[in-house]
Amino acid sequence: AQSVTQLDSHVSVSEGTPVLLRCNYSSSYSPSLFWYVQHPNKGLQLLLKYTSAATLVKGINGFEAEFKKSETSFHLTKPSAHMSDAAEYFCVVSDKFSGGYNKLIFGAGTRLAVHP
Amino acid sequence: SAVISQKPSRDICQRGTSLTIQCQVDSQVTMMFWYRQQPGQSLTLIATANQGSEATYESGFVIDKFPISRPNLTFSTLTVSNMSPEDSSIYLCSATMKNGDTTDTQYFGPGTRLTVL
Repeated sequence: AQSVTQLDSHVSVSEGTPVLLRCNYSSSYSPSLFWYVQHPNKGLQLLLKYTSAATLVKGINGFEAEFKKSETSFHLTKPSAHMSDAAEYFCVVSDKFSGGYNKLIFGAGTRLAVHP
Repeated sequence: SAVISQKPSRDICQRGTSLTIQCQVDSQVTMMFWYRQQPGQSLTLIATANQGSEATYESGFVIDKFPISRPNLTFSTLTVSNMSPEDSSIYLCSATMKNGDTTDTQYFGPGTRLTVL
């Protein structure tokens, strides 16, 4: 079975400094991986996804993630944090399902705080 | 991408009553899903809403408690039955669209925040 572990429940950065949100996955095959963001009182927005193409994936709002098979990691980064980046971030792995579609397995989430 | 709306956005309900949540997608989608997000927690899949057949439930969720309908390719409902305070959560609907690759990207609605007194 697939699983995903987000290594930090809370991350705090200053505005303008780099962001690193860590994620490790467990998968018995080549997985599809996603990062979603949830702003307070809002739904989930897809930031980026990895689907076995380029290992460095660029997403929206300046975020990117690198798939490292040898480390089973899919860490999310951004060179310079903005106040509007403060939110909950979920690392997600897809699981094959007999119905012909992928089921999503969510990590516990990382709450990102950005300070002036 | 798909634009997904949910009704109601929030509700406060009494113990023992039921609430039906509606999910509307602006285009035809292949699969629809219902998730629960308990306070301070991550998302847990409740069930997959299949068009024209019964929903497929995850372990720990049953049809009597969470009946689901999906009458067409753009609409689904989730009912939370005989509610108790433990059902207080955010309920989210999502939908899968084929993007021409082998991965089905899921798009999420804004969620329904339910409080049971």
